[in-house]
Amino acid sequence: DTGVSQDPRHKITKRGQNVTFRCDPISEHNRLYWYRQTLGQGPEFLTYFQNEAQLEKSRLLSDRFSAERPKGSFSTLEIQRTEQGDSAMYLCASSLSSGSHSYNEQFFGPGTRLTVL
Amino acid sequence: AQKVTQAQTEISVVEKEDVTLDCVYETRDTTYYLFWYKQPPSGELVFLIRRNSFDEQNEISGRYSWNFQKSTSSFNFTITASQVVDSAVYFCALGHSGYSTLTFGKGTMLLVSP
Repeated sequence: DTGVSQDPRHKITKRGQNVTFRCDPISEHNRLYWYRQTLGQGPEFLTYFQNEAQLEKSRLLSDRFSAERPKGSFSTLEIQRTEQGDSAMYLCASSLSSGSHSYNEQFFGPGTRLTVL
Repeated sequence: AQKVTQAQTEISVVEKEDVTLDCVYETRDTTYYLFWYKQPPSGELVFLIRRNSFDEQNEISGRYSWNFQKSTSSFNFTITASQVVDSAVYFCALGHSGYSTLTFGKGTMLLVSP
């Protein structure tokens, strides 16, 4: 399978706990994105990387959230001190960009569904 | 500010009917990109099409067609002869030149019954 993969697919945690999600993009893709999707809404952008550099972060990304892509391949998204409002589907996507104005389509993974009790 | 509006929350049709999903966008950019994604019950977003703002040609792919009209800031999606497998949530999204973020609409849930 050469698509975007995410792990775990489901995570249930108690309020106040820390959680970490992993995303493996399509291997040749240099851009990696994180989105959050709540019920009945479209995905909302959180952050993105070009190679290992985190280039943009949304205001939605509070200081409890941190994302890394240390070697420009897989990425992790950590949420510290989870709150019930963090319950959502966390989506990862990747794309191949060949220039500052190129806009190639983003391919999404299956998502990690987080439930905070 | 960038905004995508999908006014239709839910549409129900019977198999073989044609159905059009509406998308209206707002942007101040002169160069931008529009997308449609499908999200079946399994949850994974599937890319359907990308359209550049400077290319207003309509596109047809099998039973799918897209009508892009800059004059009305609309990028509508039509499924001809719908099938049960078309049942999903469909999202329209807007991308900005030079940026990588996508702004999504709230989606339209399409239910095709046999």
